[in-house]
Parts: sequence; C-alpha cells; structure tokens
Amino acid sequence: DIQMTQSPSTLSASVGDRVTITCRASQSISSWLAWYQQKPGKAPKLLIHKASILESGVPSRFSGGGSGTEFTLTISSLQPDDFATYYCQQYDYYSGTFGQGTKVEIK
Amino acid sequence: EVQLVQSGAQVKKPGESLRISCKASGYRFSTYWITWVRQMPGKGLEWMGRIDPSDSSTNYSPSFQGHVTISADKSISTAYLQWNSLQASDTAMYFCARHNLISADDYWGQGSLVTVS
Repeated sequence: DIQMTQSPSTLSASVGDRVTITCRASQSISSWLAWYQQKPGKAPKLLIHKASILESGVPSRFSGGGSGTEFTLTISSLQPDDFATYYCQQYDYYSGTFGQGTKVEIK
Repeated sequence: EVQLVQSGAQVKKPGESLRISCKASGYRFSTYWITWVRQMPGKGLEWMGRIDPSDSSTNYSPSFQGHVTISADKSISTAYLQWNSLQASDTAMYFCARHNLISADDYWGQGSLVTVS
C-alpha cells in the first residue's frame, strides 16, 4: 500500500499570506497526485490533478508542483474563501490513498 | 451537467444490513469508474474502493476488503455501497465520486450519513 503523508497538519495564516502544504508518498507515484479542498459539511472539491494541472474554474492563486515522492500545494495569496482543509491523494489503477489533511486556519 | 445524487441519511442498529446508492446523470455512466470514500466524524478522507460500471470490476482498499461490497447497475446509472453486518465503527459520512483515470475524482456526491447505534 502506498502511504501519503501531509505536513503540516494545521496551518495558521492571515489573508494575503503565501502558504505551502507538502505531501510525501511512500514510493514513487510519478505525477499521479491530486489536491482537494473540503469545507465543513461539504463534499471535497478537486483543485489540481496530475500534480500541477489546475481544474477549470479554480483560481490561479492555487498551484501544484512536484513529482515522484514529493509534492506541494501553494496558495500565493490566501483569501477568506480559502480557509478549509486540504487533502492530497495518490491515484493509480488500483488505489487512491489520501493524506491525513491540512487544516488552514485564520491566524 | 454532471451530477451524483446519493441516498439519504440512515440510522441502523449493529448487525443490520444496509445499501446506500449513488445515482449519476449528465454523462455516460459506463465510461467512468465510481469511487467510494469514508469520512468518520471529525476525521479525514479514507479511500474505500472503486468500481468500473462497464463490467463491474472492483478494487478495494485492504482496510475495507471483505467488510463492504461495491456494486453498480449500469441500466439505471447507479452505484451502491453495501454492508451485511454494520458495526458502530461504520458510523460516518460516505461520499461517492466519479473517477477519471487521468484527472482523479472530479465530481462528488453530496454524501450519505450512516449512523449505527
């Protein structure tokens, strides 16, 4: 089983800050990495797939990078609507393991 | 418009069986896999498994293999998640999602809350 580890678990930041979340895979997953945003009581929303491809309609302040085992999600200028929990997910033909999540809180 | 509409909240007793559903519309159902994801109260997302509705082939997480069954009826564009014997630890929100082999789980249902008590 591929394990996904996110850091930090919680991130306190202010509006306008640049924030970066890291996700590490226990083995190489090439670029098969997605990022999701989830707000309380809502379904997750896909932000990025294949490590760096932004979904249609997702603001350009979100960006993803990395390959192999190390990946990042960066929000260039945090907005009030961005306070949420973020999850990475590796996806291949047989599985789809999530990281444990990073909660982005208001500082 | 792609939509996944899940069945409503359920309250069950330990040992009872349950099947929840996920009805797809707005796309060709057989073309995309359906993923099921568990979220226990206050916790993170857990990948349970996926089904290919075209031939009902499935992949399960080892954590859920043998405890749940994922199925699909392509004639009514609906996927299912089933338990034969619920436990209190199955209390959670369950989400279905459309899985695109390239772009991961791109559309999600609203969630089905299962309470076992």
